[in-house]
Amino acid sequence: NAGVTQTPKFRVLKTGQSMTLLCAQDMNHEYMYWYRQDPGMGLRLIHYSVGEGTTAKGEVPDGYNVSRLKKQNFLLGLESAAPSQTSVYFCASSFLDWRGGNERFFGPGTRLTVL
Amino acid sequence: GIQVEQSPPDLILQEGANSTLRCNFSDSVNNLQWFHQNPWGQLINLFYIPSGTKQNGRLSATTVATERYSLLYISSSQTTDSGVYFCAGEHGSGNTGKLIFGQGTTLQVKP
Repeated sequence: NAGVTQTPKFRVLKTGQSMTLLCAQDMNHEYMYWYRQDPGMGLRLIHYSVGEGTTAKGEVPDGYNVSRLKKQNFLLGLESAAPSQTSVYFCASSFLDWRGGNERFFGPGTRLTVL
Repeated sequence: GIQVEQSPPDLILQEGANSTLRCNFSDSVNNLQWFHQNPWGQLINLFYIPSGTKQNGRLSATTVATERYSLLYISSSQTTDSGVYFCAGEHGSGNTGKLIFGQGTTLQVKP
């Protein structure tokens, strides 16, 4: 199993450009998440999905959109990139086990710079 | 939302030393996890520990859910243990999606 993979690993954008980050998982997990990590800070939740076709806002959703058309994929879109969106983006997935536990598994991250 | 406080913020150890990292939560949490972010930026799952004690090699963790804290023990530290250690937890029942992270403890192990 590859686990959680993210594409691309690095990207440089100019202000106003758009792009999509792709997250894929092969563990058949129901839940998927997008986080961002800024220097000196922990991870903050952008958006998440509890199943195919459903999405919900996290702590810092402004400026981002997401889609979950397939169970194994979760896309994060930036319609008009801003320098404040320079960050490292992490995707994660999880499932509810028989005890109600919900352990997250993270991808390797995408480093995005907006000039 | 809940607040997650980690201590100490920074720690420097000599190789072979032991250490304890602490995570306090402002409210009850579920799905508590410990992660290690290595110098290459990868987030490695260390423990999923909503309660009780677990051990994995030189690392162990204890969560006392009723007192809203968790501890991560590193014994006989090695230079490869360097990096940032995060704890994270989720408030409420079911899957709210909102795993809240602490600010991290930055560990440097010197040879």
